[in-house]
Amino acid sequence: RKEVEQDPGPFNVPEGATVAFNCTYSNSASQSFFWYRQDCRKEPKLLMSVYSSGNEDGRFTAQLNRASQYISLLIRDSKLSDSATYLCVVTRAYEQGNLIFGKGTKLSVKP
Amino acid sequence: NAGVTQTPKFQVLKTGQSMTLQCAQDMNHEYMSWYRQDPGMGLRLIHYSVGAGITDQGEVPNGYNVSRSTTEDFPLRLLSAAPSQTSVYFCASRQEGYSYNSPLHFGNGTRLTVT
Repeated sequence: RKEVEQDPGPFNVPEGATVAFNCTYSNSASQSFFWYRQDCRKEPKLLMSVYSSGNEDGRFTAQLNRASQYISLLIRDSKLSDSATYLCVVTRAYEQGNLIFGKGTKLSVKP
Repeated sequence: NAGVTQTPKFQVLKTGQSMTLQCAQDMNHEYMSWYRQDPGMGLRLIHYSVGAGITDQGEVPNGYNVSRSTTEDFPLRLLSAAPSQTSVYFCASRQEGYSYNSPLHFGNGTRLTVT
């Protein structure tokens, strides 16, 4: 089983739609969780950290389920500018906080 | 604010050639790392450093060397380039050497082609 697994998509949604991405991780000792965003041919950038209690940042909501080793990202009221690849990221257990990246889920928001 | 600066942006090498990818950060970050990104493979950690004078191997270190003589610089050396090293390389840094919560700051990437 891969350390971090994501549905590669693509998810093609109309503007204004709500879309959810899921991610599973294999190592129960992973300590921190993030969503990064990567635009085409650009570097990844932090979108948000994911906390055990769940957290929200504007139109974006992240959830963590440690028992199921599952992370989610919900985007409400999708904008054209949300089109990107979303990377699920966890810290590798027992290392110095090295990050393990999922392969990403591609989102395309259409007018 | 320069952040993390990578040079060159593009490079074409012939098999067997060597070269160094440069990475510099001006944020006084302790931790620096190199990733490669290949289609369908995601980002994979090559080498990392938690401070000047300290380096360690990541997931895919073979064929690459690093050194960290200063806090600011973390060059990646390809010893004898192979076509399998064709990839996009990202350098990234973060504030603390050991941290589970600090975000990574990435450079713009170097696109390397080995023929």
